[in-house]
Amino acid sequence: QKEVEQNSGPLSVPEGAIASLNCTYSDRGSQSFFWYRQYSGKSPELIMFIYSNGDKEDGRFTAQLNKASQYVSLLIRDSQPSDSATYLCAVKFDTGRRALTFGSGTRLQVQP
Amino acid sequence: ETGVTQTPRHLVMGMTNKKSLKCEQHLGHNAMYWYKQSAKKPLELMFVYNFKEQTENNSVPSRFSPECPNSSHLFLHLHTLQPEDSALYLCASSQDSGRQFPQETQYFGPGTRLLVL
Repeated sequence: QKEVEQNSGPLSVPEGAIASLNCTYSDRGSQSFFWYRQYSGKSPELIMFIYSNGDKEDGRFTAQLNKASQYVSLLIRDSQPSDSATYLCAVKFDTGRRALTFGSGTRLQVQP
Repeated sequence: ETGVTQTPRHLVMGMTNKKSLKCEQHLGHNAMYWYKQSAKKPLELMFVYNFKEQTENNSVPSRFSPECPNSSHLFLHLHTLQPEDSALYLCASSQDSGRQFPQETQYFGPGTRLLVL
C-alpha cells in the first residue's frame, strides 16, 4: 500500500513567521510531488509542484524535496492569517497509476 | 476558477433516492477523476477515466456508478446510498501524457457536498 504521511496538526505560528509543513512518502520511485491548499468547505487548490531534488521557490512558498529520505516539505515565509488552511501533500507514485495519492493534510493556523 | 465545474454544489437525498453528480472540465484535459472526502480523512480516489475509458475503480461500492460520455464530462450516478456516504465529492481533471510531468497536475472542481438522510 503506497502511503503519504503528514502530521495532522494543527500547526500554529504567529503572523510573519515561517511555517514548515512536512510530508513523507513510501515509494522510493515516486517522481512528482504536489502541495495543495484547502480552505474549510472548499476544494483543494494547487500551490506548487516539485520533481527535482532541492528547493523550488514561488513567492512566499518554497518546496523542498529529498528523494533519498523520501521527504518533501513546504515552507511559507511571512505567514499571514489568510494562509490558515489545511495543506495537502500529494504524490504520484511510480506505478503507472495516473491518480495522485494524498496525505491527510496538516492544518495550519496563523495567529494575528 | 480552475476550469472544472461541478453541479449541484449541495445535495440532500434519502437512502432510496437516485441522483447524479455532474462534472465538466474546460481545460482540454484527457483524464478525469472522482474523489471522496469525508471529515478528518484523506482524499479517497474513487474512479479514474482516461480518454473516456475507466482505468481505475478503487473498490467502490456498486451504489456509485460513474459515466464518462466524453473527455469533458463525467457523471457519478448515486442510488440507495447510506448515511456514511455523506461527504464532499470532488471531481478533478489532468492532462495525462503517460509520463511523469508537471502537466499531470490535477485541477479540482468546487465539489458537491452530499448529505444522505
